[in-house]
Amino acid sequence: GQQVMQIPQYQHVQEGEDFTTYCNSSTTLSNIQWYKQRPGGHPVFLIQLVKSGEVKKQKRLTFQFGEAKKNSSLHITATQTTDVGTYFCAGRGVYGNKLVFGAGTILRVKS
Amino acid sequence: EAGVVQSPRYKIIEKKQPVAFWCNPISGHNTLYWYLQNLGQGPELLIRYENEEAVDDSQLPKDRFSAERLKGVDSTLKIQPAELGDSAVYLCASSRERGGGNYEQYFGPGTRLTVT
Repeated sequence: GQQVMQIPQYQHVQEGEDFTTYCNSSTTLSNIQWYKQRPGGHPVFLIQLVKSGEVKKQKRLTFQFGEAKKNSSLHITATQTTDVGTYFCAGRGVYGNKLVFGAGTILRVKS
Repeated sequence: EAGVVQSPRYKIIEKKQPVAFWCNPISGHNTLYWYLQNLGQGPELLIRYENEEAVDDSQLPKDRFSAERLKGVDSTLKIQPAELGDSAVYLCASSRERGGGNYEQYFGPGTRLTVT
């Protein structure tokens, strides 16, 4: 079945440094979503990417969808302590309706 | 708008006991999901409803898990009997779409289940 893998599992950065998490699917995706889960909280939707090669920005966050629609990345510029949490990608396969979540990347920010 | 409501927030039970979780989705959201989240993992889908119909329950362990969504609004997930390995956070989510993945999902706060 469809698998979604994320790397790294964990990243600890100094405040102000950049951060990137990568997401790879075993199958071609029709779309990919990104969620953020604060410690002790629940996943909160950040964005959805649909088109091949799509790039979207939200303030310091940049999201990319690969040309082959099998990978995606989230880049945070100049991290802040408020960016702390786990970032999940979730992909929907071309032939299925289920959203499959990756295991997430835990981000810790040192001030 | 009010968010997804779940209760209870925490539950501790002994193994072999039954347990039930309740979820009230955002008003107007026809699609409801139950997920299981283990520590350090992403949410894993247990069951998806479109209105009152379970359209994807392939990941639901049907020997001990059951779910219902009467009247297509709130939903209950039950485990009977619970096993030690069922300890996890059970998340409910809802969305507007039909078909499973095109719109953002709104998650509730979850129920943290501990089986001793």
